[in-house]
Amino acid sequence: QQPVQSPQAVILREGEDAVINCSSSKALYSVHWYRQKHGEAPVFLMILLKGGEQKGHDKISASFNEKKQQSSLYLTASQLSYSGTYFCGTHAPHSGAGSYQLTFGKGTKLSVIP
Amino acid sequence: KAGVTQTPRYLIKTRGQQVTLSCSPISGHRSVSWYQQTPGQGLQFLFEYFSETQRNKGNFPGRFSGRQFSNSRSEMNVSTLELGDSALYLCASSFRDKTTDTQYFGPGTRLTVL
Repeated sequence: QQPVQSPQAVILREGEDAVINCSSSKALYSVHWYRQKHGEAPVFLMILLKGGEQKGHDKISASFNEKKQQSSLYLTASQLSYSGTYFCGTHAPHSGAGSYQLTFGKGTKLSVIP
Repeated sequence: KAGVTQTPRYLIKTRGQQVTLSCSPISGHRSVSWYQQTPGQGLQFLFEYFSETQRNKGNFPGRFSGRQFSNSRSEMNVSTLELGDSALYLCASSFRDKTTDTQYFGPGTRLTVL
């Protein structure tokens, strides 16, 4: 099943913070985060493996709660360049089609305004 | 390093035809993944290849196939094209070791089926 992302859209002013959530009903092996700007290919942000780790670089970080099968992406002190659609991709075991299934959420559209 | 390249960038085909898309990963990357992106279904995982072996496969019909060559270049083939196959097809190359886990997308091939 497709992971559920929330919110679907968010508008921020420069300097504000945002949290994007990704929830799955399946036991997850890992969670990937991507950002895609209109008309461009997605950009890989980070991968979080099961074990409840947290990762981050610059002002974008993420956490993975393995027990709740949830991941959150944190954007702090947002910049205009953060605008785009953020996708989470979840890895879950899948029998019959390979060792795992990678499924993406519908995306969260983030708009940062001056 | 050169980025991920995909050819062709745009393609127009008619129903029933077949198509082959090509992807050249970043030098040194042995893993190549393919994705389909449409406005309706969003981003969907097609398959992943590593060292010429298909490692994982998404939920797509057998009309979608792929392969990877010894130089890590990958091709994706879609036979008996349907209108619903119109999409942006993205290829990504990945590198993973003990300290690094990253993925880079190519610009995509925009396939239109008439």
